[in-house]
Amino acid sequence: GQQVMQIPQYQHVQEGEDFTTYCNSSTTLSNIQWYKQRPGGHPVFLIQLVKSGEVKKQKRLTFQFGEAKKNSSLHITATQTTDVGTYFCAGPRVQGAQKLVFGQGTRLTINP
Amino acid sequence: DSGVTQTPKHLITATGQRVTLRCSPRSGDLSVYWYQQSLDQGLQFLIQYYNGEERAKGNILERFSAQQFPDLHSELNLSSLELGDSALYFCASSHGGEYYEQYFGPGTRLTVT
Repeated sequence: GQQVMQIPQYQHVQEGEDFTTYCNSSTTLSNIQWYKQRPGGHPVFLIQLVKSGEVKKQKRLTFQFGEAKKNSSLHITATQTTDVGTYFCAGPRVQGAQKLVFGQGTRLTINP
Repeated sequence: DSGVTQTPKHLITATGQRVTLRCSPRSGDLSVYWYQQSLDQGLQFLIQYYNGEERAKGNILERFSAQQFPDLHSELNLSSLELGDSALYFCASSHGGEYYEQYFGPGTRLTVT
């Protein structure tokens, strides 16, 4: 079945360093969504990408959707302690489906 | 606050028992999703309802069942509980299909002893 793989599984950085997590799908995605889950919290929607090659920015966060719509990345510039958490990507199971397949997530920890 | 409410927050029960988790979606959202998150694991999709009808099913065990009521709140029933069922159970709601973001509730932490 369709899989959404995320790498790395864990990332530890020094505060101020950059961070990137990658998401790869075995099939073409109509769109991709990114969520953040703080420790002890619930997933919170960050952004959705729909177009091939799309790039969106939210302050220090940059999201990209691959040209083939099979991969995506989230890049955080100059991490801060508030960025700590697990970042999940999610894509629809199949075109037109309402079920999202979540990646396993990348857990980001930061040394202040 | 996502606008999605879940009760109870915590639940401790014994093996073999049955529990019901409740979820109220955001106002106006017709879709409700249930997820299971075990310790240090990702989000495992269980089941989705849209306007009272089952729309998609994930790796939901036969011991688990769910429904969505006319007022759109949903319940997840877990029976014959096993130690391995201990997890965080999240409910999420969205306006509709794949292009709509999901809003997650605070979760119910289930501990089976």
